[in-house]
Amino acid sequence: AQKVTQAQTEISVVEKEDVTLDCVYETRDTTYYLFWYKQPPSGELVFLIRRNSFDEQNEISGRYSWNFQKSTSSFNFTITASQVVDSAVYFCALSLNNAGNMLTFGGGTRLMVKP
Amino acid sequence: NAGVTQTPKFRVLKTGQSMTLLCAQDMNHEYMYWYRQDPGMGLRLIHYSVGEGTTAKGEVPDGYNVSRLKKQNFLLGLESAAPSQTSVYFCASSYIRGSVYSTDTQYFGPGTRLTVL
Repeated sequence: AQKVTQAQTEISVVEKEDVTLDCVYETRDTTYYLFWYKQPPSGELVFLIRRNSFDEQNEISGRYSWNFQKSTSSFNFTITASQVVDSAVYFCALSLNNAGNMLTFGGGTRLMVKP
Repeated sequence: NAGVTQTPKFRVLKTGQSMTLLCAQDMNHEYMYWYRQDPGMGLRLIHYSVGEGTTAKGEVPDGYNVSRLKKQNFLLGLESAAPSQTSVYFCASSYIRGSVYSTDTQYFGPGTRLTVL
């Protein structure tokens, strides 16, 4: 069975600091997909990124960057120059390559960015 | 496109009452899902559907039933609500038939906050 662990339950930073959210996953499958979602205080889940297991290239999108390392089964998320609007709960999730594509979520990391 | 919508947004039930949560999507997605989110926890899959007329159990299916009579709708039913079912319920959908991706991104509805007294 697959598992996603987000060891950091809560992180607090001051605005403009960089912050990295850790995600470690477990699966025996060789084909899988990793996701990050953001859940702001309003409660909805916002899709941020999707990566497949064959693509280990790091990705950057504005202030957001993701570091995928199969050797350590990690898919970490870094926010550069954090802003108050980044305050949210962030979820890492894993999906296998099967019918239904069900997601297994980590427990989430609550990020608080203080002005 | 409205995306994924959920009805109602909030509901309070008494123990033993029944109710149905409605999820609708207008993205022509094949797959639909129901999750629950409890405080301090990630989302856990209750039931899912890979197509009209089909449903399957997820990680925490007990106490819930689902139906997918139309492709765009996925209903979650609680026959006899219990306080342990107090939670936020999220519906999601994914996968367009013929998509180049074998695993598509799931898009979520806004959630339904259910309290069972």
